[in-house]
Amino acid sequence: NAGVTQTPKFQVLKTGQSMTLQCAQDMNHNSMYWYRQDPGMGLRLIYYSASEGTTDKGEVPNGYNVSRLNKREFSLRLESAAPSQTSVYFCASSEWGQGATIYFGEGSWLTVV
Amino acid sequence: QQPVQSPQAVILREGEDAVINCSSSKALYSVHWYRQKHGEAPVFLMILLKGGEQKGHEKISASFNEKKQQSSLYLTASQLSYSGTYFCGTLDDTGKLIFGQGTTLQVKP
Repeated sequence: NAGVTQTPKFQVLKTGQSMTLQCAQDMNHNSMYWYRQDPGMGLRLIYYSASEGTTDKGEVPNGYNVSRLNKREFSLRLESAAPSQTSVYFCASSEWGQGATIYFGEGSWLTVV
Repeated sequence: QQPVQSPQAVILREGEDAVINCSSSKALYSVHWYRQKHGEAPVFLMILLKGGEQKGHEKISASFNEKKQQSSLYLTASQLSYSGTYFCGTLDDTGKLIFGQGTTLQVKP
């Protein structure tokens, strides 16, 4: 049971470089999320996708773009990485609805130097 | 808007009880509770729905006061395995789940 799979798990970038974090879920969920978590801090929503073809900004979208490629995959792109984007990134997915459990991937540790 | 959790941190001895609170300035449709261990992903504990239905963990309970826009998580007879950071999340009507800042719980032997 794979659940939510994120790649890569660890990445070091230089300031100004670009990269894409990949996320895929095999639970046939409609909703997908990207969160970031800074050391000792809570989870902040970057972008949200309620269904294939739709995306919506969260609390901290600046510096990021997303693509909901299909129902399974939701990618997060950093066009020009900055040290302030050093964080742990979590992808998550759920069914639609107030009672739906949200399942998280294992996280991607990103360091921008 | 981010829900507010209190307290920020709790230290307990095994067997003691704890309560973690979560409040929101917006009307709540549901409250989600998650626990995160250091270096790991958050793990689902419980969902409380408007109207009183509760889904989740058998050893941890919670309440949801819709009128006061508050939820509380009750950990009774705490075990070492309860240590971690607890997050509440509130789901708005567009489906976005926004988390509070977290409450760190440390259970000592």
